[in-house]
Amino acid sequence: QSVLTQPPSASGTPGQRVTISCSGSSSNIGSNTVNWYQQLPGTAPKLLIYSNNQRPSGVPDRFSGSKSGTSASLAISGLQSEDEADYYCAAWDDSLNGPYVFGTGTKVTVL
Amino acid sequence: QVQLVQSGAEVKKPGASVKVSCKASGYTFTSYGISWVRQAPGQGLEWMGWISAYNGNTNYAQKLQGRVTMTTDTSTSTAYMELRSLRSDDTAVYYCARVIAAGHFDYWGQGTLVTVSS
Repeated sequence: QSVLTQPPSASGTPGQRVTISCSGSSSNIGSNTVNWYQQLPGTAPKLLIYSNNQRPSGVPDRFSGSKSGTSASLAISGLQSEDEADYYCAAWDDSLNGPYVFGTGTKVTVL
Repeated sequence: QVQLVQSGAEVKKPGASVKVSCKASGYTFTSYGISWVRQAPGQGLEWMGWISAYNGNTNYAQKLQGRVTMTTDTSTSTAYMELRSLRSDDTAVYYCARVIAAGHFDYWGQGTLVTVSS
């Protein structure tokens, strides 16, 4: 079972801003950086954000990440239809839960 | 360009073993680690473990300890994941991913569907 908790779903209309939360603990998010992965339907996951707020080359700047304490967030501004996907947060975990844990996943729907 | 190409789909009976391969190209294989992640049908991502392609050091998820073995063949830039004593709940798509030193997975294989069924 995942130790990082995300809302199961989020939605918005094109152009809106959507935020996804990721709640963890002191052994994972509280002491390590957070990464975010995007999984389009039927495809492999893709790295979206690393080290809390860094975007890999090619990822649009409308995706942004942040972290505070034992929680993290992913924001999608200017939502587009191609953003409809599952999003997972992840972090290394220093406890027996680890060493690496994924969030429960959030399905983003573009209305 | 960096590519991770995995072996094809497998169908196995309960109790059998499966070995999935992940052939890397486009980078120096021994400079990065490889993690394996699986995804059961309709479910989320589950981290299985990690292997250093430099020295073969491994770190496995506690729940899979004793059933999983990860290896690499540096001569062919290929990583392998073997899972033994298969059960129906091992049915999943298995992914390999390159691990950056900072700890994130920047390139992923296309996935290999392993079906465990009698």
